Amino acid sequence: EDQVTQSPEALRLQEGESSSLNCSYTVSGLRGLFWYRQDPGKGPEFLFTLYSAGEEKEKERLKATLTKKESFLHITAPKPEDSATYLCAVQGGYQKVTFGTGTKLQVIP
Amino acid sequence: NAGVMQNPRHLVRRRGQEARLRCSPMKGHSHVYWYRQLPEEGLKFMVYLQKENIIDESGMPKERFSAEFPKEGPSILRIQQVVRGDSAAYFCASSKDRGANYGYTFGSGTRLTVV
Repeated sequence: EDQVTQSPEALRLQEGESSSLNCSYTVSGLRGLFWYRQDPGKGPEFLFTLYSAGEEKEKERLKATLTKKESFLHITAPKPEDSATYLCAVQGGYQKVTFGTGTKLQVIP
Repeated sequence: NAGVMQNPRHLVRRRGQEARLRCSPMKGHSHVYWYRQLPEEGLKFMVYLQKENIIDESGMPKERFSAEFPKEGPSILRIQQVVRGDSAAYFCASSKDRGANYGYTFGSGTRLTVV
């Protein structure tokens, strides 16, 4: 069965303090690895899809990278509005998408 | 260009009652997925449907839970004889293709409280 483990569970950063979130996964035949952002009381919002090791995607202050066993979400010079829970998910073949439990990020002004 | 619409946003049911959660997918999307999220836990897959067909229901409890996506109208997640443990946020998502290449589009969820 596909598994996704995210760390840390929670992260508190000062505004401008860059850091990385980790997503370790096991999947049979990776079709895609996904990053989502979830704000309190809302549904997850899609950020990136990564398909193969070595691939990178960027969006504003966020950069996602992928290896054969893990993915990182790098946050450069974060702002308070980046505070949210970041979810990692994987899909093997045409199977269901499996989510991790997320990293709750708090950026303090 | 409305996104995924879920209603109601909040639903309170007494133990033993039925809960019906509705989901209208994004325009042009024919794949619908239901997930359940408990506090401090991740999203747990429940069921994947296409129009008039259940494709994967491996995450659905065997009893009391059912889902449908009729030819016309929204997808419905139905929970019969609710118990306190059913209290959770239920999210619906849709996608254009089965491979989720462009990610799922999620609704804002229905928060079910069983009293």
